[in-house]
Amino acid sequence: DTGVSQDPRHKITKRGQNVTFRCDPISEHNRLYWYRQTLGQGPEFLTYFQNEAQLEKSRLLSDRFSAERPKGSFSTLEIQRTEQGDSAMYLCASSLVPFSGAFFGQGTRLTVV
Amino acid sequence: TQLLEQSPQFLSIQEGENLTVYCNSSSVFSSLQWYRQEPGEGPVLLVTVVTGGEVKKLKRLTFQFGDARKDSSLHITAAQPGDTGLYLCAGVGGTSYGKLTFGQGTILTVHP
Repeated sequence: DTGVSQDPRHKITKRGQNVTFRCDPISEHNRLYWYRQTLGQGPEFLTYFQNEAQLEKSRLLSDRFSAERPKGSFSTLEIQRTEQGDSAMYLCASSLVPFSGAFFGQGTRLTVV
Repeated sequence: TQLLEQSPQFLSIQEGENLTVYCNSSSVFSSLQWYRQEPGEGPVLLVTVVTGGEVKKLKRLTFQFGDARKDSSLHITAAQPGDTGLYLCAGVGGTSYGKLTFGQGTILTVHP
């Protein structure tokens, strides 16, 4: 296993379109996180899963965002009706429980035009 | 809500200088991590500290967890241009099963 992988690395979409990102965590990790990050800032928490259960979703997140982790393996993050303000780097990370550190993918850079 | 405040937000120094980055909160964390991130890449885990008062060293980097587990510091000795990047602290809430929350980061630039 080579680490956390995210697909695609870059996505350009028109405002109003839907986009979906995929994250494949480290195989034995049962915790999976999604974050959003803008330039020069720390990652902003979006949601996290333990196995297939979504334990928490940020209250800052609008209903246009949804995430799934079927069967506790890979995860998808969907953004519906994208807006220019959604332009950011979307990061996925995985970890073991009890927590000892998170391992991040390289991120998906979303640009909404 | 558990917030982590990092300071300074920006740090620009010359090669060979020492520096310290601080991470503070009013909340207690079960563990705290430091990450380093380069442009266009995901954060990379540097260290995890879990015990109040714990000190860990990683080559020229020294990490300390406060006695009350509410704050941490990262000290770099004799900084090098390769240390340039975004340094992030992050904490897991009151139990090791909580969510991972990040500070806003410190952008470090080391000039040759």
